[in-house]
Amino acid sequence: QKEVEQDPGPLSVPEGAIVSLNCTYSNSAFQYFMWYRQYSRKGPELLMYTYSSGNKEDGRFTAQVDKSSKYISLFIRDSQPSDSATYLCAMSDSSNYQLIWGAGTKLIIKP
Amino acid sequence: EAGVVQSPRYKIIEKKQPVAFWCNPISGHNTLYWYLQNLGQGPELLIRYENEEAVDDSQLPKDRFSAERLKGVDSTLKIQPAELGDSAVYLCASSLNSGGFNEQFFGPGTRLTVL
Repeated sequence: QKEVEQDPGPLSVPEGAIVSLNCTYSNSAFQYFMWYRQYSRKGPELLMYTYSSGNKEDGRFTAQVDKSSKYISLFIRDSQPSDSATYLCAMSDSSNYQLIWGAGTKLIIKP
Repeated sequence: EAGVVQSPRYKIIEKKQPVAFWCNPISGHNTLYWYLQNLGQGPELLIRYENEEAVDDSQLPKDRFSAERLKGVDSTLKIQPAELGDSAVYLCASSLNSGGFNEQFFGPGTRLTVL
């Protein structure tokens, strides 16, 4: 079993829909939780970062961390075709720089 | 500000040939990472540098892979000899430091195809 599990998709939704992307993890020591977006033929870029539990909102994006369930989510409101990309979750504990990555979920927003 | 620069963007070689990838991190970033990304997977760390020192190379296949970061700036990753299973995207990333949370900035990657 991988430390971080993420459904690879693809997830296809119509433009304007609310998108929910999720990851589960097994290591209770994880403290830093990140969502990266990766467009085709590009490197990942940081979208959202959360420390420990709770919610964080940035424009149309909301990141949630539920440490009791070892479950993190990324919500995208009013989805746009330009949001079509692969979304990777990544996490690390407080003493280790090393990121543990999910496999990524491919998201397709249909106009 | 320029991002992380990698070259070449694409490389096709025959198995058993050598290949090298180059990375120029963001100016002022002390930490440099080399990752390997297979299709449909997240990045896997190969090596991490703090300035010119390789502080974590535990996942680097040292029988065929080598890396260097001269003067603590640019870095080169080499494979010799390449095998079919080395076909992947090789990503370079940099961050200011590595303690706590430090955003890693990624380059576009080098897509390697071994025939």
